[in-house]
Amino acid sequence: DGGITQSPKYLFRKEGQNVTLSCEQNLNHDAMYWYRQDPGQGLRLIYYSQIVNDFQKGDIAEGYSVSREKKESFPLTVTSAQKNPTAFYLCATEKQGGTEAFFGQGTRLTVV
Amino acid sequence: GENVEQHPSTLSVQEGDSAVIKCTYSDSASNYFPWYKQELGKGPQLIIDIRSNVGEKKDQRIAVTLNKTAKHFSLHITETQPEDSAVYFCAASRVTGGGNKLTFGTGTQLKVEL
Repeated sequence: DGGITQSPKYLFRKEGQNVTLSCEQNLNHDAMYWYRQDPGQGLRLIYYSQIVNDFQKGDIAEGYSVSREKKESFPLTVTSAQKNPTAFYLCATEKQGGTEAFFGQGTRLTVV
Repeated sequence: GENVEQHPSTLSVQEGDSAVIKCTYSDSASNYFPWYKQELGKGPQLIIDIRSNVGEKKDQRIAVTLNKTAKHFSLHITETQPEDSAVYFCAASRVTGGGNKLTFGTGTQLKVEL
């Protein structure tokens, strides 16, 4: 069953703690992306990676970090430096040379 | 960088009527314009897209038009049905050999009423 798996679906953390969101894909897509979604603000790009062991900052990278050690995996760490981490986080993939972004089901992070 | 504005933020129509959502973009180098549909609690799904070398594209009840000169593009849904109720996002990007960084609009909540 091909697709993108984001886990967990809901995540609660205390303020000041780092938290890592998982994104796994078996579509064999080269590019992977992390977006943040807030009410009324659409989707904003956090980080993206086009190949293994390489990634670039998006528009709102401050307070986040990523790694791309395997083609299938692109975890996102929300650090304590992120001022307002509560949001819906979406992972997406795209095949090389393609244009369509395929999205996971998202992780809703709540920091209390 | 690119900036995409989307209107309206909410749209309510009667079943069977048409719905139109409009977007404008700022970067004249953008050449790819997709539309995504997001249902509650799920990730967005591509419903239609258009490239800058095409003025209009249709897929059954959905159509997208692009005016490059004015830098705006629109989504048209005809004969709306309750299952069309969702949030719709437009986006724009400059497709190069090195990936496709999408800039999204702020979304339109479409409600189709019976």
